[in-house]
Amino acid sequence: EDQVTQSPEALRLQEGESSSLNCSYTVSGLRGLFWYRQDPGKGPEFLFTLYSAGEEKEKERLKATLTKKESFLHITAPKPEDSATYLCAVTGANSKLTFGKGITLSVRP
Amino acid sequence: GAVVSQHPSRVICKSGTSVKIECRSLDFQATTMFWYRQFPKQSLMLMATSNEGSKATYEQGVEKDKFLINHASLTLSTLTVTSAHPEDSSFYICSARSGGSAKNIQYFGAGTRLSVL
Repeated sequence: EDQVTQSPEALRLQEGESSSLNCSYTVSGLRGLFWYRQDPGKGPEFLFTLYSAGEEKEKERLKATLTKKESFLHITAPKPEDSATYLCAVTGANSKLTFGKGITLSVRP
Repeated sequence: GAVVSQHPSRVICKSGTSVKIECRSLDFQATTMFWYRQFPKQSLMLMATSNEGSKATYEQGVEKDKFLINHASLTLSTLTVTSAHPEDSSFYICSARSGGSAKNIQYFGAGTRLSVL
């Protein structure tokens, strides 16, 4: 059974304080690892997809990396508008998305 | 990114009534659509997968007679919660994926908050 574990559960940062969010996974036949952002009361918004170990993707203050066992979402100099829940998900041989519980990020001005 | 529209965003209904939720892919054809349920501070749980023109595949423990799914076209899927009860109150989210590969990205709707009184 595919599993995704995200840590920490919640993270509070000062504006400008860089940090990383961790996603550990076990999956049968990884077909893709996905990062989404979810604001309260909204559906997930797609951020990145990574397909193989060593791959990296970047968008504004966010950078996602992938190894064979985990993925990191690095946030550089965050702003209050980066506050949200960040979801990690994997797709394996069963073609279904398996989500972690998410990491709730709060960025204080 | 691709846009998925979900409607309504919020619905309040009496126990015993049925509620229909629509999910539309606005700028791409979705060969596969998914329906999820999310409880507070919990992850998204897949309820069912639907492919255009065929019957939906339900996850274990999801009652197919209670949660009716129709995927009538490449841009529209509907979820009908039949004879809703308070325990069906939840946040329902749909997603759409273009193409048949699991590598393709799922794009999500904004979700529907269902409250059953």
